[in-house]
Amino acid sequence: EAGVAQSPRYKIIEKRQSVAFWCNPISGHATLYWYQQILGQGPKLLIQFQNNGVVDDSQLPKDRFSAERLKGVDSTLKIQPAKLEDSAVYLCASSSLGPIHEQYFGPGTRLTVT
Amino acid sequence: KQEVTQIPAALSVPEGENLVLNCSFTDSAIYNLQWFRQDPGKGLTSLLLIQSSQREQTSGRLNASLDKSSGRSTLYIAASQPGDSATYLCAVDEYGNKLVFGAGTILRVKS
Repeated sequence: EAGVAQSPRYKIIEKRQSVAFWCNPISGHATLYWYQQILGQGPKLLIQFQNNGVVDDSQLPKDRFSAERLKGVDSTLKIQPAKLEDSAVYLCASSSLGPIHEQYFGPGTRLTVT
Repeated sequence: KQEVTQIPAALSVPEGENLVLNCSFTDSAIYNLQWFRQDPGKGLTSLLLIQSSQREQTSGRLNASLDKSSGRSTLYIAASQPGDSATYLCAVDEYGNKLVFGAGTILRVKS
């Protein structure tokens, strides 16, 4: 079974530029998550989708971050314009709707904003 | 607001030693608790998941316990090996599938 796929793996941009990340969850997983992990900290949930609806985006900085999940499968996370403090690893995870709902994580995208 | 704390922040042990990593959380109303491993530059690998009704889970040399009433979990690693060197993260699943993570324990096993 293929795992969660993310691209790109690394991205370096200048502040005020825009960037987009892509995630393909495990086949059949209805729930998709985007996390931000700043160096030395644990991941923090940015947004959670169930199918193509948003369940929780309370910690998403909506003035600069946006995310969508078209057709309930792939998802993209966009930052526009980027700030220095957005430098982090962006992790995508997915889970099924079963009673355990264990989350499976992708390899992440490391973003550096200069 | 749920807060998760992991102690110690870093740990260095000689190969073969048994060790314990600690995780505490402030709100006992959790659905489950997961321990993850993260290697440098990599994503998270799930090690063990303990449901709120369970007391412990075991996988190979790993054993995780959960005491919901006291807000604590421990991850026990037996006979540590250099390949166990990584960051270990504890996360609690609040109802609604939201994971709240600790900052992690950086483990180094010396050969």
